[in-house]
Amino acid sequence: EPEVTQTPSHQVTQMGQEVILRCVPISNHLYFYWYRQILGQKVEFLVSFYNNEISEKSEIFDDQFSVERPDGSNFTLKIRSTKLEDSAMYFCASTGTGGLLNNSPLHFGNGTRLTVT
Amino acid sequence: GQNIDQPTEMTATEGAIVQINCTYQTSGFNGLFWYQQHAGEAPTFLSYNVLDGLEEKGRFSSFLSRSKGYSYLLLKELQMKDSASYLCAVKGYNKLIFGAGTRLAVHP
Repeated sequence: EPEVTQTPSHQVTQMGQEVILRCVPISNHLYFYWYRQILGQKVEFLVSFYNNEISEKSEIFDDQFSVERPDGSNFTLKIRSTKLEDSAMYFCASTGTGGLLNNSPLHFGNGTRLTVT
Repeated sequence: GQNIDQPTEMTATEGAIVQINCTYQTSGFNGLFWYQQHAGEAPTFLSYNVLDGLEEKGRFSSFLSRSKGYSYLLLKELQMKDSASYLCAVKGYNKLIFGAGTRLAVHP
């Protein structure tokens, strides 16, 4: 079964550094998402992306965050200047034709655990 | 705004049935999804409801009442591997908003 893949599985970085989290969504999917989950807390929406642009973003997704689809397969989340409170599991997700509007479920990758020291 | 409530923790016995409730108050509602999440892993899709009523999928069933802002996930014939968090997620226009999840512990 096709799956969403994320790299790296674990990233450790120092406060103030830039990180790029990488995702390869399922190949025929058109809608892409980033969520994060701080340890012990709920899964929080960050941003949705369709047709090479951001569809919606949450209050968490401020100017330090950006997303890009640099080619036909990758979808990246960049955090420009990391803070301690950015430490979390970051999940990429994708969904197919019609997206959630067609009740297609989100398929999640296994996540990147980001630790900011 | 969005408010999604689930019990924090539940325990059950192997072979039994457990019902996990979810209540929601949202500004826009387009359906409700249930996901399972094992510790340290990604959420995996279980079921969704758009219309009122019961949806059955093997050992898992999900129920929705839109007028009451209420859903439940029913797990039958519990197995030890069902020990996980169960996440209720409300669908907005094109995103899912998750509740905090219910941590289920299944005991022998």
